[in-house]
Parts: sequence; structure tokens; C-alpha cells
Amino acid sequence: DAGVTQSPTHLIKTRGQQVTLRCSPISGHKSVSWYQQVLGQGPQFIFQYYEKEERGRGNFPDRFSARQFPNYSSELNVNALLLGDSALYLCASSPDRVSPLHFGNGTRLTVT
Amino acid sequence: AQSVTQLGSHVSVSEGALVLLRCNYSSSVPPYLFWYVQYPNQGLQLLLKYTSAATLVKGINGFEAEFKKSETSFHLTKPSAHMSDAAEYFCAVSDKGGSEKLVFGKGTKLTVNP
Repeated sequence: DAGVTQSPTHLIKTRGQQVTLRCSPISGHKSVSWYQQVLGQGPQFIFQYYEKEERGRGNFPDRFSARQFPNYSSELNVNALLLGDSALYLCASSPDRVSPLHFGNGTRLTVT
Repeated sequence: AQSVTQLGSHVSVSEGALVLLRCNYSSSVPPYLFWYVQYPNQGLQLLLKYTSAATLVKGINGFEAEFKKSETSFHLTKPSAHMSDAAEYFCAVSDKGGSEKLVFGKGTKLTVNP
């Protein structure tokens, strides 16, 4: 079975631009979560979606938004990019809200 | 608020030696605790999880962890290190279950020397 897939794998953007990251969960998984991992740090929770509704939001500014589609795939949008947004963005899925997360390999975002 | 502290950002062991990675947590409710491993340029893979069923939890690749409430600890061990164990290890806590708002530690990078 295919794991969690994320696209693109790498991305370079300029300060002030907007970016959209995409995630396809494992087939049958209805929950998708997004995490930001800055170099040298542990992942930090951004959002969780379950059955297309936002179920949790971390301590991130409103420049960060996300949505989940009827097929359970998800997009993370970041507006007005800052240098500090440079990080590995990880998507994770699970079949429900209590089963452990399965992570994708991430999208490496570099803001210059 | 929950938090995780991983003692030692870098741990180096010889092949065949005991691996001990330390994790202390803070939680106002009974916690769910996890250990994840991250290989270079990859996402995180679940090693094991504690969900109150048993204090000694066995995971994949020969790893295990013991939940000690009195010490608020959840240290990860493996009796004999392999070269393939070289990776970064993250301890995480949740107060709601397996997939809701994990709070991760800063990670411990394990080096295995031949």
C-alpha cells in the first residue's frame, strides 16, 4: 500500500510569496495532520483535520491555513512567507482521531 | 500544557552496546507517549506507543520503553545497537490519543560507531 505522499518534495520561495503544499493520506485514513519541523528541532503541530473539519490548531499565525477535501487529501497554505517559515513540512494521516500517525517524507520549503 | 524534554541532543554508542535515550514528560492528565525515529531526508516512523495498557512497551526493531509515572519518564532502550539504528529519535506526548496534537521533544541524534 502507498504511504502518505506529499508534493512537492522541495520548494524555494521568496519572502512575501504564498505557497501551497499538498498531501495524500493512506487509503482509508480520514484524519490528516500537518507539522512544521525547523532544522534541529522536533516537529511542531500546525493543524489536524478529520472528516473534512478542523479538529485542532497549533500556535501558528493566521497566515497558515489548511483544508481537507472529500477524498481526504489536504492542502496547507502559507501566505506572506517569512524567512522563518523555512522548514520541513510534514503531513501525517491516521484512520481515526486516536490511532497513531503515519508520516510522509515531507516538503522542504526554503524561503529566501 | 504538555511538554517533553529529551536529555542529550547527541548520543554515541558502539555497535553492540546498550542504547539508552532519555525522555521526560509533563502532562496534567494521563499521557499517551510515543517514540518516533527519523532517518535522513525521511518522515517519522513510529517505534512504539504507551497508552496505559502496560508500563513496559515493546516496539519495532528491538526497541522498548518503560513508563515510570513517579519519574515522569519514558526512556527508550535497545540491548544491542546496530549500525542501522543511527538516526534521530523523537519522544512525543499527547493528552487525547494517538493522532491528536502531538507535542514533540527536540530529538536525540544517535550515532553508532563500528
